[in-house]
Amino acid sequence: GAVVSQHPSWVICKSGTSVKIECRSLDFQATTMFWYRQFPKQSLMLMATSNEGSKATYEQGVEKDKFLINHASLTLSTLTVTSAHPEDSSFYICSARDLGREAGELFFGEGSRLTVL
Amino acid sequence: DAKTTQPNSMESNEEEPVHLPCNHSTISGTDYIHWYRQLPSQGPEYVIHGLTSNVNNRMASLAIAEDRKSSTLILHRATLRDAAVYYCILMGSSNYKLTFGKGTLLTVNP
Repeated sequence: GAVVSQHPSWVICKSGTSVKIECRSLDFQATTMFWYRQFPKQSLMLMATSNEGSKATYEQGVEKDKFLINHASLTLSTLTVTSAHPEDSSFYICSARDLGREAGELFFGEGSRLTVL
Repeated sequence: DAKTTQPNSMESNEEEPVHLPCNHSTISGTDYIHWYRQLPSQGPEYVIHGLTSNVNNRMASLAIAEDRKSSTLILHRATLRDAAVYYCILMGSSNYKLTFGKGTLLTVNP
């Protein structure tokens, strides 16, 4: 099946630094990718929709200047958490749809766990 | 977005069938019913989806009510590896954005 890969799978950083998380579709092209955040014992919360070649669309309440999204190619989207603080510590997950498939299922990455000290 | 309602948790025994219900009374005519599951510390995994007819795949079966206001995910023989949070989500035909609810935590007893 289609594979979506995230890197890094976990990262620890100091408060005030920026962290970049990559999301790649390994065997298909994705014009649209989605970024989610998940806090412990909670459900996934959609942060933004990443569109190849154009600006991302952010959900209400998500700061676009803090969570920078770049979707420069059909197989790569990046999420940069700028000036990270402890409250940004979370599990970040991306997903993508395989344009080559008729069915509409989304494929998810393994997730990236961010810990801000 | 149309909402779904699922039980918070369910319990099953290994090798027995499991029926996970989902109510979606405000579903629109073009909404697909999707099921995903999430194991601890992993990203969600696609399970199955359907529109009107019942669907079967290697992982599970999806039974959709005639009025489409509810559906049931069926795991024919639960294994310990099926222990996860199962999410029932509606997806529009032109918008692939998924909005996750709280899902059902399935516990499988050996």
